[in-house]
Order: sequence, then C-alpha cells, then structure tokens
Amino acid sequence: RKEVEQDPGPFNVPEGATVAFNCTYSNSASQSFFWYRQDCRKEPKLLMSVYSSGNEDGRFTAQLNRASQYISLLIRDSKLSDSATYLCVVNAGGTSYGKLTFGQGTILTVHP
Amino acid sequence: SQTIHQWPATLVQPVGSPLSLECTVEGTSNPNLYWYRQAAGRGLQLLFYSVGIGQISSEVPQNLSASRPQDRQFILSSKKLLLSDSGFYLCAWSHTGYEQYFGPGTRLTVT
Repeated sequence: RKEVEQDPGPFNVPEGATVAFNCTYSNSASQSFFWYRQDCRKEPKLLMSVYSSGNEDGRFTAQLNRASQYISLLIRDSKLSDSATYLCVVNAGGTSYGKLTFGQGTILTVHP
Repeated sequence: SQTIHQWPATLVQPVGSPLSLECTVEGTSNPNLYWYRQAAGRGLQLLFYSVGIGQISSEVPQNLSASRPQDRQFILSSKKLLLSDSGFYLCAWSHTGYEQYFGPGTRLTVT
C-alpha cells in the first residue's frame, strides 16, 4: 500500500462547479497534513494545512478524519485559475527533520 | 520574508558529465533543507535533507551527493550523470519541521 494515495483524476469540471478530492494515508503516527498545488512545470506551493477540526480558506475547505486516515479538499465555485495538480502531503510522525510524503497528485482542469 | 533561490533553471548535460545544482535561502537562519526529484509524470521523491551545516542525510541510494557548506546554502552534485538522473530537481526549506517551501526548481535533461 502506498504511504499516500490519491485519485489521479483527471477531474474536468466547468467553472462554478464544486469538486472534492480525497486522499488516504497509511502511517497512523502522522501528525501534520497539507494540500499543495502544483502548476504545470512549476514548483509545488502550499495551499493549506489541514487541521483536526477542519479548516476553510475562502473557497477551499480541508477535512481530516484520523480514524479513517483520510483527508479531503473541497473547492467551491471553481475558477479557471484553479486548474492545477493538487498534492496531498503527510508529515511522518516522530521525525525531527519533518519528512513529508507526497501523493502522486490529482489533476484538475476547470473549463469555461 | 523568506526567499529560496535555485539555479540554473534548466540544464542539458551529456551522460557521464558532472553536476552541480545550488540552492540558497534568504530571510531565515538555521533552516532544514531538502532536495527532491520529480521524474516526468511522477511524484516527488526526497533525495537528501539537512538539519545543519555539514549534516546530510540520504534517503535513497544513488549516484548523487549533497553538501551544506553554509547555513543557507545546499548543493546537489554528481560526478557522472546517468540518463535516469533526468528530472525536475526541487530544493525546499522548513523552519518548523512541518510545512515546506519550495524553490523554483531546476529542470535537468541528461542526453
């Protein structure tokens, strides 16, 4: 089983749609969770951290379910500029240097 | 604010040639530093990390090496490149040990 698994997509949605991405992780000791966004041929950029209580940043909502080892990202009112690859990222618990494990990414294309 | 630089942005090198990629961070001190590689169509693979000057840990065996001669400088090297070394090389820094921030990357093609 991969440490971090994501549905690779691609997800093709019209502008204004709501889209949800899911991610599962295998290390129950993981402590920190993130969503990164990567545009084509660019570096990954931190989109948001994921907190146990769930958190929202504008049109983006992240949820964490520790019992099921499951993370989600919801994007409301999709914009053309949301087209990118979304990476689910997990920090392995108990490491002092902060090793991150990246999922393969979910490709999102928002069309007019 | 913190800034991370990488150079060169792109590089084309023949098989068997040496490699040196540089990464520098500004606006912070004593960061954790990381080197990743992303092969075409694949996820990010952690190659090396460093928690301080001269301290390097390798995650995967390969013909690459890393060095940290200064607090905010991280260098990735190879004596002889292989075709399989082609990829997108990313440097990242972290202060808390949690979220990491990436540089713009170097796209390496080995021919």
